[in-house]
Amino acid sequence: DAKTTQPTSMDCAEGRAANLPCNHSTISGNEYVYWYRQIHSQGPQYIIHGLKNNETNEMASLIITEDRKSSTLILPHATLRDTAVYYCIVKSAIESNFGNEKLTFGTGTRLTIIP
Amino acid sequence: DVKVTQSSRYLVKRTGEKVFLECVQDMDHENMFWYRQDPGLGLRLIYFSYDVKMKEKGDIPEGYSVSREKKERFSLILESASTNQTSMYLCASSLDRAGNEQFFGPGTRLTVL
Repeated sequence: DAKTTQPTSMDCAEGRAANLPCNHSTISGNEYVYWYRQIHSQGPQYIIHGLKNNETNEMASLIITEDRKSSTLILPHATLRDTAVYYCIVKSAIESNFGNEKLTFGTGTRLTIIP
Repeated sequence: DVKVTQSSRYLVKRTGEKVFLECVQDMDHENMFWYRQDPGLGLRLIYFSYDVKMKEKGDIPEGYSVSREKKERFSLILESASTNQTSMYLCASSLDRAGNEQFFGPGTRLTVL
């Protein structure tokens, strides 16, 4: 069963904010929302994660709805180097007996930044 | 800067050969992971290790084994390579046992002929 749903692809003009949505309606109380991206021919790169409050770092902002059933990753001023596949992942942050460690990547959103 | 390196970017092997993929991290991380990535299937976890000499099966361990003799190094072994093991192999590491923020290597694209 897919835990997250993302659009297959999106375009964004260079310099504009890129807003990438993710639905995770079955998220449970101890699960965080993680975002990774994968630029062509590279390994995935961690971007940001959050539980229920909005988060911001040097790369992006993460907005999580109050009911936690969806979230939006915001790249405030997209550049050509932000062209990548973006993955929204729901994962328990709790250390456990070897059930929680893996990241389950879906097919993600292919974001293309247009010059 | 955090760094995960993999021994090869591209590798071509023949069916039946024994294949070693090496991964090294310089961050003193506890956990290390091996994933494979295939079109339409996303990343799938093969094996992970939470300590030296410890290993746990992931979702698709069949046909693979691993070795972790030192904390910084995690090797993936294909005992007898087959064509259905042609894939992109990605190594990752994480500081904490829950595997929250994972750092990935650049990947090894393996082709088995």
